[in-house]
Amino acid sequence: GAVVSQHPSRVICKSGTSVKIECRSLDFQATTMFWYRQFPKQSLMLMATSNEGSKATYEQGVEKDKFLINHASLTLSTLTVTSAHPEDSSFYICSASGGGGADTQYFGPGTRLTVL
Amino acid sequence: GQNIDQPTEMTATEGAIVQINCTYQTSGFNGLFWYQQHAGEAPTFLSYNVLDGLEEKGRFSSFLSRSKGYSYLLLKELQMKDSASYLCAVKDSNYQLIWGAGTKLIIKP
Repeated sequence: GAVVSQHPSRVICKSGTSVKIECRSLDFQATTMFWYRQFPKQSLMLMATSNEGSKATYEQGVEKDKFLINHASLTLSTLTVTSAHPEDSSFYICSASGGGGADTQYFGPGTRLTVL
Repeated sequence: GQNIDQPTEMTATEGAIVQINCTYQTSGFNGLFWYQQHAGEAPTFLSYNVLDGLEEKGRFSSFLSRSKGYSYLLLKELQMKDSASYLCAVKDSNYQLIWGAGTKLIIKP
């Protein structure tokens, strides 16, 4: 149980284009989804937290107009990187939690974004 | 401020036992998590501790002492596939997960 999928796993795009990443909880309802970014050999950096049906809460320094997050259902959240630039190249990982005592976050496999 | 400390890197031998420590200072405590992350992959959940004591799960065990702000992850019968980074994370009073920087574990034959 507690499987989270992420699509696409890898994307290469030109500078200035927008990229959408999907995160799905396959076998549980995710009341909360999280989006992280990780640069090579660095630790996870939380970008934003989203609850189903409400606006995402962004961490300090993360541009909400650049990283659009939608959490329209209990099993799907999307992250859109708008007008991507080479410095946005990174490993983007989503996680989902279904609430409850432990409220464990289960991670998707990640999306490697390369902006040329 | 909130802080989680764990060693940057550790080396151990295949078949041996290794203990990865994690100390934390957070505003409140609502549980401690250990995750494993292989290079280029996303983290996978290993364990959760909210009460003091040892939680055993196969070759992996996790210990918590809330009074000392301390946890460790114990890996027994090390295998080469255990080479990975191990992330300690604490849920604070706002139920926000605070992440450590991770410990890179290198297993040698």
